[in-house]
Amino acid sequence: GQNIDQPTEMTATEGAIVQINCTYQTSGFNGLFWYQQHAGEAPTFLSYNVLDGLEEKGRFSSFLSRSKGYSYLLLKELQMKDSASYLCAVMDSNYQLIWGAGTKLIIKP
Amino acid sequence: SQTIHQWPATLVQPVGSPLSLECTVEGTSNPNLYWYRQAAGRGLQLLFYSVGIGQISSEVPQNLSASRPQDRQFILSSKKLLLSDSGFYLCAWKGGSGETGELFFGEGSRLTVL
Repeated sequence: GQNIDQPTEMTATEGAIVQINCTYQTSGFNGLFWYQQHAGEAPTFLSYNVLDGLEEKGRFSSFLSRSKGYSYLLLKELQMKDSASYLCAVMDSNYQLIWGAGTKLIIKP
Repeated sequence: SQTIHQWPATLVQPVGSPLSLECTVEGTSNPNLYWYRQAAGRGLQLLFYSVGIGQISSEVPQNLSASRPQDRQFILSSKKLLLSDSGFYLCAWKGGSGETGELFFGEGSRLTVL
């Protein structure tokens, strides 16, 4: 079956760096997405990786290794507003998104 | 620019009552539209998607249905709600060109069935 794994919850300190991992097993691969979701709100798009390597976008970076079925989202210079859930999703060979359950990130002052 | 709206934002319904959630997209034509449900501690579950007017694909057998009466309108319905229908419902459209565009979500509708 298809599976996306990511930690349920992580805690980090304001100003620090945190890495949220995502591993996947899917039938085919057409890219990996990261979304941010604040409590009670809809997810918003953060990044898309389809080739191996690191994509940097301001304080956020996303890495992909297709051979390892692995991605991570790196958040630098953490701010309190970064407290949210981070969702990993993989697009399979049928161009359907398979979603992880999300990682709740708690930022402490 | 493109926008997506869904309503109502919150509703509390008794078991056995009907449901209608509405979603509209502005600023784009012939979008791919999606209805998802999000349960606590679980990934987003795709319920329905549509690639055009009157074209609905169902991913999960259940007592919900969807309709697309107009190009930019997507409706989620039920004739008789179950307790298990409670959850956070999200409408989305796919941006970009081709098959791999990112999803843009509406504000979400939180449904509680009592």
